Amino acid sequence: DAGVTQSPTHLIKTRGQQVTLRCSPKSGHDTVSWYQQALGQGPQFIFQYYEEEERQRGNFPDRFSGHQFPNYSSELNVNALLLGDSALYLCASSFGQGRSYEQYFGPGTRLTVT
Amino acid sequence: GDSVTQMEGPVTLSEEAFLTINCTYTATGYPSLFWYVQYPGEGLQLLLKATKADDKGSNKGFEATYRKETTSFHLEKGSVQVSDSAVYFCALNSGGSNYKLTFGKGTLLTVNP
Repeated sequence: DAGVTQSPTHLIKTRGQQVTLRCSPKSGHDTVSWYQQALGQGPQFIFQYYEEEERQRGNFPDRFSGHQFPNYSSELNVNALLLGDSALYLCASSFGQGRSYEQYFGPGTRLTVT
Repeated sequence: GDSVTQMEGPVTLSEEAFLTINCTYTATGYPSLFWYVQYPGEGLQLLLKATKADDKGSNKGFEATYRKETTSFHLEKGSVQVSDSAVYFCALNSGGSNYKLTFGKGTLLTVNP
């Protein structure tokens, strides 16, 4: 049973560029969340997708956008990259709703903005 | 809003020592509580969870009890191993229309042989 997969593993971009990160959820999961983890910090929630719609969004600017496809996979797009966007981007998948459902994380994409 | 406070790290222990990592929270509603572990260069793995007061989550020798009266969810292990060296994150989900996990800053544990 494949877990959550993310691509690419590492990415180096220049300020002002745009980037797309990809995530495939764990088999049987229908919900995808994205988190940003800065060095030495806990993950911060960016947004969550369910049924191809953004269901909840954290405190991130509109430069951060996403998409969920009919097969439940998801993309995170970041426009006009800033140095401060350098971080580990984590995708998490889950099934169902409610406060007790478990989120399973992928290995992350390490984004470096120079 | 929701928040999680973890004890400051790093924590350094010798093998077979007792481990406690403190976690307290503030949340609206009645949250579920989680401990995640992150090994070097990897994503987060769910270690254990508890969904109601006095529930005890346990896994791989780790335990944590949901204490509503003290809003705490401290992680404990009776005898740590070198392989337990990692960063540990306490997290909560307050439910309702809130679907996100709110994390603490993490505690780095190093276990020496």
